[in-house]
Amino acid sequence: AQTVTQSQPEMSVQEAETVTLSCTYDTSESDYYLFWYKQPPSRQMILVIRQEAYKQQNATENRFSVNFQKAAKSFSLKISDSQLGDAAMYFCAYRGYNTDKLIFGTGTRLQVFP
Amino acid sequence: DAGVTQSPTHLIKTRGQQVTLRCSPKSGHDTVSWYQQALGQGPQFIFQYYEEEERQRGNFPDRFSGHQFPNYSSELNVNALLLGDSALYLCASRALLSGTHYEQYFGPGTRLTVT
Repeated sequence: AQTVTQSQPEMSVQEAETVTLSCTYDTSESDYYLFWYKQPPSRQMILVIRQEAYKQQNATENRFSVNFQKAAKSFSLKISDSQLGDAAMYFCAYRGYNTDKLIFGTGTRLQVFP
Repeated sequence: DAGVTQSPTHLIKTRGQQVTLRCSPKSGHDTVSWYQQALGQGPQFIFQYYEEEERQRGNFPDRFSGHQFPNYSSELNVNALLLGDSALYLCASRALLSGTHYEQYFGPGTRLTVT
């Protein structure tokens, strides 16, 4: 069975600085997708970034980028130029190639200080 | 363009009762998945509906059942409520873009409290 582990329950960063959130996963599949979702206090789960396992190039979306290490089964999220609006719970998630089922980690609460 | 909507926003039920939660998918989406998010945890997959049938199911007991209507909206039913069923219930919808490349959109959730 696939598992997703987020070992940082809480992280904090100063506004305009950079922070990295960690995620490791376990799977025996070769093709899959990895995601980072943001869940603000409004509770709505928002997709931040997606990585296809077959792509070697790390995904980037504006200030958000990932470091995908397939062999190490590691998938970290880097947030550059942090903004107050980035404060939220961040969840790492895994999806197999032929399924809709998302498997989530336990989340990391990110605080951003002015 | 309306996103995924869920109703009600909050509700409180008593142990042993039954509850129905509702989800309207994003316009153009035909597949709905339900997740349970306990406090301090990540969401857990309950099941998925497509073409009015349950296509995939997570590790949840039969007390959890669902339905999808011809307009693609969906209901989640939970019977014989337990205190442990207290959670945020999230609905996600998606449309197939190409192959297996698609994005799922989540609703704001329904907060269920069982007393």
